[in-house]
Amino acid sequence: EAGVTQFPSHSVIEKGQTVTLRCDPISGHDNLYWYRRVMGKEIKFLLHFVKESKQDESGMPNNRFLAERTGGTYSTLKVQPAELEDSGVYFCASSQDRGRVNSPLHFGNGTRLTVT
Amino acid sequence: AQSVTQLDSQVPVFEEAPVELRCNYSSSVSVYLFWYVQYPNQGLQLLLKYLSGSTLVKSINGFEAEFNKSQTSFHLRKPAVHISDTAEYFCAVSEADGAGGTSYGKLTFGQGTILTVHP
Repeated sequence: EAGVTQFPSHSVIEKGQTVTLRCDPISGHDNLYWYRRVMGKEIKFLLHFVKESKQDESGMPNNRFLAERTGGTYSTLKVQPAELEDSGVYFCASSQDRGRVNSPLHFGNGTRLTVT
Repeated sequence: AQSVTQLDSQVPVFEEAPVELRCNYSSSVSVYLFWYVQYPNQGLQLLLKYLSGSTLVKSINGFEAEFNKSQTSFHLRKPAVHISDTAEYFCAVSEADGAGGTSYGKLTFGQGTILTVHP
C-alpha cells in the first residue's frame, strides 16, 4: 500500500506570507494527525481528524493555523501569515481504526518549513 | 497531561557494542508507551510498543524495551548495534483510554536521541 504522502517536502517563505501544506493519508484511514517539530524541540501534537471532523485541535498554536480535511480524504494545513517561529518540520500521520489500540500510526516524511 | 524525558540527546557507540537509550515519563493516568525511529530523510517508523501484558517488548531488528511502572521508565536496548541503526529515536506515550478511546494517536514525544554507530 502507498504510505502517507506530504507535499511539499521543503518550503521556504518570507515572514508574512501564506503557506499550505498537504497530507494524503493511507487510503481508508479515518484518523489523520498533524504534528510539528520546531528546531531543537520535541515533536508536538497539533490536531486530530476523524474523517472530516476535528476530533481534537488542542495543540494548534494560534489562529494563524487552519487545518481542513474536506471529504475525509487529504488534509491541508495553512499558515497565514507565517511567522519566524513557525519554522520546523510538520509531520502528518494516519491510522485506520478509531477505537482499536493496535492500529498503528503511519507517518509521512514531513514538510520542512523555513520562514525567513 | 503527560511528559516524556529522554535523558541523552546524543549517543555515540561503536559497531557491535551494546546500547541503551533512556526514557522516563510522567503521567497521572495509565499510558501506552512507544519507541519510534527516524532514519535520515524518512518519516517516523514505529519500532515497538507496550500496551499491556508482558513488560518486555521486542522489535524484529533486535531492539527491546522494558516497561518499569515503579520507575516510570521505558528504556530501549540492543545487545549489539549495527551501522544501519544510526538514526534518531523517539520515546512517546499516549493516554491508555482503552478500546473505543480516541487518545491512542495523540502522542507526547520526548526530545529524541540521536544514535550514531561508528565502525
